[in-house]
Amino acid sequence: GAGVSQSPSNKVTEKGKDVELRCDPISGHTALYWYRQSLGQGLEFLIYFQGNSAPDKSGLPSDRFSAERTGGSVSTLTIQRTQQEDSAVYLCASSLRPWLESQETQYFGPGTRLLVL
Amino acid sequence: KQEVTQIPAALSVPEGENLVLNCSFTDSAIYNLQWFRQDPGKGLTSLLLIQSSQREQTSGRLNASLDKSSGRSTLYIAASQPGDSATYLCAVPSSGSARQLTFGSGTQLTVLP
Repeated sequence: GAGVSQSPSNKVTEKGKDVELRCDPISGHTALYWYRQSLGQGLEFLIYFQGNSAPDKSGLPSDRFSAERTGGSVSTLTIQRTQQEDSAVYLCASSLRPWLESQETQYFGPGTRLLVL
Repeated sequence: KQEVTQIPAALSVPEGENLVLNCSFTDSAIYNLQWFRQDPGKGLTSLLLIQSSQREQTSGRLNASLDKSSGRSTLYIAASQPGDSATYLCAVPSSGSARQLTFGSGTQLTVLP
């Protein structure tokens, strides 16, 4: 079946512009995660959705970052007034949330490579 | 706060060699541990998931072990091939409801033909 998809695959923008990154999780997966991978920082958690609600936004680096999820499916990560330090690969993951938590596997999309000039 | 460490950071081996990648974590109260593979410019591919009640998990030439009490996991790759060249990441979920993953910094593996 289809995996997690993300768009665009690459995005180049100018400092100060807003960008929107999209994630389509695996059908039926109730949990959705956004992570960021940047040079020197490794992979870091940004935000988690269970259904359409985001009970954990603790990883968002500033109030310029926001995310929403609609219909328990597609999610959009928005970065306002982009800065050069926002340049990174933004990865989305989804999981089925099995009853037994030890069985939970997160499946990742290919990522969106963002470059802020 | 959970911290995950992977050693070595980089490894270069000739084709056919068996090799071991190491992962350690500071908080042993984990549900499971996942090993991922990342090819240059690509996303993460899940390789193996070891549940906290398990000691090891196997998939083809890959074998992952987990020792929760010592906070360690190893990924064993048998008869390495050039196609195994990639960055290997281990990750553990948080203990909260979000279960977000904390990742190690990865081991960059190069298998020389």
